[in-house]
Amino acid sequence: NAGVTQTPKFRILKIGQSMTLQCTQDMNHNYMYWYRQDPGMGLKLIYYSVGAGITDKGEVPNGYNVSRSTTEDFPLRLELAAPSQTSVYFCASSYPHLGTGEQYFGPGTRLTVT
Amino acid sequence: DQQVKQNSPSLSVQEGRISILNCDYTNSMFDYFLWYKKYPAEGPTFLISISSIKDKNEDGRFTVFLNKSAKHLSLHIVPSQPGDSAVYFCAASGGTSYGKLTFGQGTILTVHP
Repeated sequence: NAGVTQTPKFRILKIGQSMTLQCTQDMNHNYMYWYRQDPGMGLKLIYYSVGAGITDKGEVPNGYNVSRSTTEDFPLRLELAAPSQTSVYFCASSYPHLGTGEQYFGPGTRLTVT
Repeated sequence: DQQVKQNSPSLSVQEGRISILNCDYTNSMFDYFLWYKKYPAEGPTFLISISSIKDKNEDGRFTVFLNKSAKHLSLHIVPSQPGDSAVYFCAASGGTSYGKLTFGQGTILTVHP
């Protein structure tokens, strides 16, 4: 199992550009999440999904959009990139109904907006 | 409103000694607590968890203690090893946040040889 994979690993965007961060998991988890981590801060939840076709806002959703058309994929879309979106983005997945329900994280995407 | 707080940004210990990382929470609806470890340029990895019906959970060198009345949990690492040097996040879930985790700010642990 590859677990949770994210692409790209790094990206530099100009202000106003848009991009999609890709996330795929092969563990058949129904829950998926997008977080951002700013320096010296914890992980802030952007959006999450409890299954294909169902998404909901987290703590910091402004400036982002998501979709969940399959169980495996949960892309994060940035429209009109702003310097405040410079951060490291982590995708995660879980099956909260079983065991400890811990989340499994991808390696992250480091995004710089200039 | 920070519902999960790790008040120590960093901790430095000598190899072989005990490392104690602390975490406080404010939401009494939280009923599950987790610790994650994060190395640079990697995603967080799950370390150990504890349910609110317990006050201690042990896994090898790692033990988590939960004091519900004080809304406080701690992670003990004994003995500490240089490979334990990483950022440690505590996280909590429960109540209306089923399936979601609320993370603390993290504590950077450095274990010196």
